[in-house]
This record gives sequence, C-alpha cells and structure tokens, in this order.
Amino acid sequence: DTAVSQTPKYLVTQMGNDKSIKCEQNLGHDTMYWYKQDSKKFLKIMFSYNNKELIINETVPNRFSPKSPDKAHLNLHINSLELGDSAVYFCASSSLRGEQFFGPGTRLTVL
Amino acid sequence: GQQVMQIPQYQHVQEGEDFTTYCNSSTTLSNIQWYKQRPGGHPVFLIQLVKSGEVKKQKRLTFQFGEAKKNSSLHITATQTTDVGTYFCAGQRPGGYQKVTFGTGTKLQVIP
Repeated sequence: DTAVSQTPKYLVTQMGNDKSIKCEQNLGHDTMYWYKQDSKKFLKIMFSYNNKELIINETVPNRFSPKSPDKAHLNLHINSLELGDSAVYFCASSSLRGEQFFGPGTRLTVL
Repeated sequence: GQQVMQIPQYQHVQEGEDFTTYCNSSTTLSNIQWYKQRPGGHPVFLIQLVKSGEVKKQKRLTFQFGEAKKNSSLHITATQTTDVGTYFCAGQRPGGYQKVTFGTGTKLQVIP
C-alpha cells in the first residue's frame, strides 16, 4: 500500500514537448507539494496545495501548471519542455504536524 | 528569501567513526525537520524538533535545535554502511502556511 505514488517513474522526451506527471496520496492529508531536485541534489519547492487550493507558488515558469482535482491528487503539467527542466520531480503530502511524505520521484530527461 | 545552509556538503568517514552535519537558517524557525535520502531514493522523514534547545535521540542519531531556533545539528555515533545517503534539514517559518525550506544537504559516504 504505497502512501504517495507518482507516475511515470521515468520520462524521456524531446525539447518542446508537453508532458504530465501524476501524483496520488492515500494518507488523507490536506496538503500536497511538488518539488524539483536538480543534479546537485538541491530540493526546491515549486507548488503547494491545501485542500485543492493553491497556497504556495514559487518562482516557477508559467510552462509549469499544477492541477488538483481533489485533495488526494496533485498533477503537474509541463508545456514546451526545455533542457533545463531535466531533474527529478518529487510529489509529497504532509500531515497537520508538518512532516512530509514523499513519492518515489519522476526522473525527467529532456533531450 | 529564507535560506537554509548545511555544512559540510560532503563527508567521507570510516565505518565506526562519528559524523555531524550542521544546519543554519537565515531566519528564525518555528520548527526544524530532518530527512534522509538514500542514493536513488526519495527523502524520508526522520524527526521534527520544535522547542528551543531541544535534543532528541533515535538510536545512534542525536538531533539538536539551537537556542535561537536558527540552527540545528544531526550527529551519528559509530556510523554504519546503512547510514549512507544525503541528510537534509528543512526549516519551517513561523506563521508560514506549512512551507518548508530544505537545506542544501550533506552527502555521507561510509567506507567499510
């Protein structure tokens, strides 16, 4: 029973394409996040949703658009992919205490 | 904006030696969390510290939150090869809507 799941695990695509990553959590948490981890392993928050409402929107290009159809799902759509978008993208959810549970990650490679 | 720095960036230790990573925030925090990420894996929550000067232990791991709530440390006694990974601190600001800023991470390599 995976707590936070993401699909796909790997994504290899050409520059300029549009792609989506899906995330689901079965922990009953109200808050979900998207993080980007670059090649130097820095973890940077991109977005956060609380009960389907966007509450954190860091300085992320408009090509990235999150969508939360319900509080258990948070998807990430990326338009016009660029080389610099190559990274590992982690979805996470958090309890009221704040501890975060991460998904397994999606390794995106843009060629 | 808030910055959370960790030192060292990398650490190689002989198995059995101790290890410490330090975390410093540019702003006062309401709490600090620690996570471990194994190679190829995802960050896994270890612990949360809330009180000024708090010290918590988990077996060979000792976590400390500074008196000013701006710094923290993680100390591992007698490292084992299973301790290999990157350790992140993550600070939450007072009043913030659960936004957590992750530190730069310390990558630990244990030589058997």
